[in-house]
Amino acid sequence: QVLLVQSGPEVKKPGASVKVSCKASGYTFTSYAIQWLRQASGQGLERVGWINADNGDTGYSQKFQGRVTITRDKSASTVYMELSSLISEDTAVYYCARDQTSYCNGDCSLNYWGQGTLVSVSS
Amino acid sequence: EIVLTQSPGTLSLSPGEGATLSCRASQSLTTRYLAWYQQRPGQAPRLLIYGVSSRPTGIPDRFSGSGSGTDFTLTISRLEPEDFAVYYCHHYDRSPHAFGQGTKVEI
Repeated sequence: QVLLVQSGPEVKKPGASVKVSCKASGYTFTSYAIQWLRQASGQGLERVGWINADNGDTGYSQKFQGRVTITRDKSASTVYMELSSLISEDTAVYYCARDQTSYCNGDCSLNYWGQGTLVSVSS
Repeated sequence: EIVLTQSPGTLSLSPGEGATLSCRASQSLTTRYLAWYQQRPGQAPRLLIYGVSSRPTGIPDRFSGSGSGTDFTLTISRLEPEDFAVYYCHHYDRSPHAFGQGTKVEI
């Protein structure tokens, strides 16, 4: 079955960077884009960006441009999301999620989700 | 950019009753790229509806979606205990994609 397994919780100080991983299994990794979203406590969902797992093309929401980098390792079927210059408002659960349709390039609904990774930013 | 506004914020109902959740877009969607997700406490969202009205495999038929243009609706015909959760609409019509702020369905 399709699984997305994310790395564990992180605690960071303001100004630091965090790198969260998302390991995919149960499908052909290169056929589907992976998106990253986040959700602050008690709040709604916000898209961070996406990556084409085949060719590595990425797209980032304007809010995070310049601070986020999404990469993938095809040999490990893993996608990474690195967010830099952290501030307290970046405290949230970060989710990776898979495009529902192959070769959708991030322009898709999301039918498989990771379990979420809590990133806490505090001095 | 398109903003999605969901209403009501909270819906208080009993098991067995029906629920109607609304999602209004600030601009008309040019496609049918509108989805709905369910999120239970402490869990990741789950896709319920995509393409306005299509259900993924495994989603019960008591969930249905409808609408076009700027007005979209998620209907739950008979609430089961596990349906009490938060529901989000999501457009992927054009960049930037966006989610609504959510509707909580509570007992």
